Amino acid sequence: EDKVVQSPLSLVVHEGDTVTLNCSYEVTNFRSLLWYKQEKKAPTFLFMLTSSGIEKKSGRLSSILDKKELFSILNITATQTGDSAVYLCAVPIQGAQKLVFGQGTRLTINP
Amino acid sequence: DTAVSQTPKYLVTQMGNDKSIKCEQNLGHDTMYWYKQDSKKFLKIMFSYNNKELIINETVPNRFSPKSPDKAHLNLHINSLELGDSAVYFCASSQHPNSYEQYFGPGTRLTVT
Repeated sequence: EDKVVQSPLSLVVHEGDTVTLNCSYEVTNFRSLLWYKQEKKAPTFLFMLTSSGIEKKSGRLSSILDKKELFSILNITATQTGDSAVYLCAVPIQGAQKLVFGQGTRLTINP
Repeated sequence: DTAVSQTPKYLVTQMGNDKSIKCEQNLGHDTMYWYKQDSKKFLKIMFSYNNKELIINETVPNRFSPKSPDKAHLNLHINSLELGDSAVYFCASSQHPNSYEQYFGPGTRLTVT
């Protein structure tokens, strides 16, 4: 069965800290991995990773994929209270017709 | 200009009732989805439509019936609502079935009492 597992489930840090969120997967015919940020409402797209070892970066957020060890990490440096959200990892299966999501990591940034 | 919109945003109803949730996307995408997010925040796909045709049906009870009148709209009708149907329902769209990036609507929080 295709599976996506995120850790930790919950993380509380202080503003300015750096955090690393983990996502491991077991899927057949892996093609890509996606990260989403969910604040109060809709998940919003952050990154799509398809190649191993190549870092994707957007401001203070960066992500990298390891296809050999079947995981990805999402790093956030110099965290701000606005980074507080649930971060979701997802892997498309069945030719990308279906996204399998992890259970999410709830990140809380305290001032 | 909302890309993916859903109505209503909140829905409170009693067990046994029938209700509908509507979704519209103005992105010109071919593919639309319904997801259910439970209290533990797990997002699970329910249905996927491509150009008005059903392509994924994830063993959802047949009380749930999606309808796509055109490729910009995907509605979800739920008959005989049960307590376990309480969740947030998200609509999403993607350019085509093999597009990995999906755009989500704001969600509809359904509470069944």
